[in-house]
Amino acid sequence: KNQVEQSPQSLIILEGKNCTLQCNYTVSPFSNLRWYKQDTGRGPVSLTIMTFSENTKSNGRYTATLDADTKQSSLHITASQLSDSASYICVVSLNDYKLSFGAGTTVTVRA
Amino acid sequence: GAVVSQHPSRVICKSGTSVKIECRSLDFQATTMFWYRQFPKQSLMLMATSNEGSKATYEQGVEKDKFLINHASLTLSTLTVTSAHPEDSSFYICSAMLDRVSSGTYEQYFGPGTRLTVT
Repeated sequence: KNQVEQSPQSLIILEGKNCTLQCNYTVSPFSNLRWYKQDTGRGPVSLTIMTFSENTKSNGRYTATLDADTKQSSLHITASQLSDSASYICVVSLNDYKLSFGAGTTVTVRA
Repeated sequence: GAVVSQHPSRVICKSGTSVKIECRSLDFQATTMFWYRQFPKQSLMLMATSNEGSKATYEQGVEKDKFLINHASLTLSTLTVTSAHPEDSSFYICSAMLDRVSSGTYEQYFGPGTRLTVT
């Protein structure tokens, strides 16, 4: 069973709208939790990194939250743009070398 | 900074042949690099950890004689898929570990991936 579960599997939103992606994990203890953006046919690019003591981290229109008690994280995308269409992957680090990847949420932004 | 490249980006080969994929850290030195495989709509799966100057560490279920890894320099790791079969067709992604000495933290930077198709 995957230690990192993401939902929804995919979603479609209209340009300019907001959306929130969810990540539940069972990896414990963990070093940090990261959100990556992966464009089709490309490698993942880091959006945010949070240690277990951080509750929120922002990167432009992307805001990640972390609740270490409930082992949940979310990624909020504000005022979506067409270029936000991608897969968003939640990754929990056991340590610097071992990463547990979620299957990703595919976001499609339509004009 | 912290750019990782892969070459080739796409490769098509015949069953039974071998294919080499290169992973380079362009603006930093990486003692440790990682090789992942990703099937459609699935998570990245770690195949092996590549350490400069020593043998790679393979994850359970990954055949070391089929997936040869060489990390001969601090900026280059190669993955060779030997005697490729159609089931080896996948998206192969490498990452390089950047050691931020000043903060004592590490970060993996991913390459753009290589799409391998075995016919």
